[in-house]
Amino acid sequence: EVQLVQSGAEVKKPGESLKISCTGSGYSFATYWIAWVRQMPGKGLEYMGIIYPGDSDTKYTPSFEGQVTISADKSISTAYLQWSSLKASDTAMYYCARQLGSTALDIWGQGAMVAVSS
Amino acid sequence: EIVLAQSPKTLSLSPGERATLSCRASQSVSGNYLAWYQQKPGQTPRLLIYGASSRATGIPDRFSGSGSGTDFTLTISRLEPEDFAVYYCQQYGSSLRTWTFGQGSKVEIK
Repeated sequence: EVQLVQSGAEVKKPGESLKISCTGSGYSFATYWIAWVRQMPGKGLEYMGIIYPGDSDTKYTPSFEGQVTISADKSISTAYLQWSSLKASDTAMYYCARQLGSTALDIWGQGAMVAVSS
Repeated sequence: EIVLAQSPKTLSLSPGERATLSCRASQSVSGNYLAWYQQKPGQTPRLLIYGASSRATGIPDRFSGSGSGTDFTLTISRLEPEDFAVYYCQQYGSSLRTWTFGQGSKVEIK
């Protein structure tokens, strides 16, 4: 079965760092782009950026560039999203999803809730 | 950046009725790379349509997508109880840095 499994929910304080993960199975992880999507409480979907695990080519949408870091380790079929200094406004559900060519985001992880509060 | 405007914001319909959702882009979507997703409360988004009109694997044929350029439509021919959800369009034809989602349209039970 093709799936993306994300790490669990996190509760953090402002200023703390965090790295969440997304592990793929059932397909060739290195040959599909992995996108990250944010959904703030009660709001819509926001595209953050994307990585190609095969060569770690990474693109960020302007709103998120410099705010997060996307990385991947193809040897363990895992992509990451990390923050160096969290803010309360980073509180959201974060999804990873795979993409190949024209087929859009066809497989999604279950989401990882990040709550940032003092 | 291509801005996607979805309408209506909320659509109130009864099971069995036809739903028509619109997604209008601020500029032409390259390759008609326009997708539709369904999201139910507390659930992960699910891909319904890609390339403006191709159904994703396992999606019932009551869901159809159409359109090109700047105007796209998702049609649900006969609403089933499980179809009441929020629907998002997304363009992925621009640079990988500038993909965007619409703000969503909610289909609710009348």
